[in-house]
Amino acid sequence: AQTVTQSQPEMSVQEAETVTLSCTYDTSENNYYLFWYKQPPSRQMILVIRQEAYKQQNATENRFSVNFQKAAKSFSLKISDSQLGDTAMYFCAFMKHWEGNMLTFGGGTRLMVKP
Amino acid sequence: DTGVSQDPRHKITKRGQNVTFRCDPISEHNRLYWYRQTLGQGPEFLTYFQNEAQLEKSRLLSDRFSAERPKGSFSTLEIQRTEQGDSAMYLCASSLAPRGVSTNEKLFFGSGTQLSVL
Repeated sequence: AQTVTQSQPEMSVQEAETVTLSCTYDTSENNYYLFWYKQPPSRQMILVIRQEAYKQQNATENRFSVNFQKAAKSFSLKISDSQLGDTAMYFCAFMKHWEGNMLTFGGGTRLMVKP
Repeated sequence: DTGVSQDPRHKITKRGQNVTFRCDPISEHNRLYWYRQTLGQGPEFLTYFQNEAQLEKSRLLSDRFSAERPKGSFSTLEIQRTEQGDSAMYLCASSLAPRGVSTNEKLFFGSGTQLSVL
């Protein structure tokens, strides 16, 4: 079974600054996908970024980028130029290859962006 | 595209009662998922459908839980004889996947049904 651990229950950052959220996972699989999801107070989970494990290049999506360290089983999310709208719960998630969106989520990190 | 909608948004029930939630996926999405999220935790996978076929069920889905997707469109999740431990948010998600192929297609979530069992 896979496990996903987010060791930072809460974090805060000043608007316009950069923040990094940590995630580690444990698996015996070699092919898999990793995701970061955002859950604002509206409760709707929104995909922020995803990474295929077979790709060495780190994924980027505008202000969001990841640092994927496969050997260390680490998958951190960096948010640059933080905005007030980034305030939300952030969840790291794992999916085995060919497992069709049956995701294993971490416990989440609550991010507060301060003006 | 109106997104994934779930009804009701909140449900309060007494222990031992039956409850049913509904999920309407994005039109033409062939896959539909149910997840459960307890307070302060990440979501946990419960079950998923491809069209009307229920392809996978988590061991979290006890025999008091039943999910259906009768015409491959909307889905219902019923909990019989509710217990206080069933209190959680029940999230539905949908995706469009190539027929018969398991992929990591993008998942779209609804806003959930918050269940409180008194």
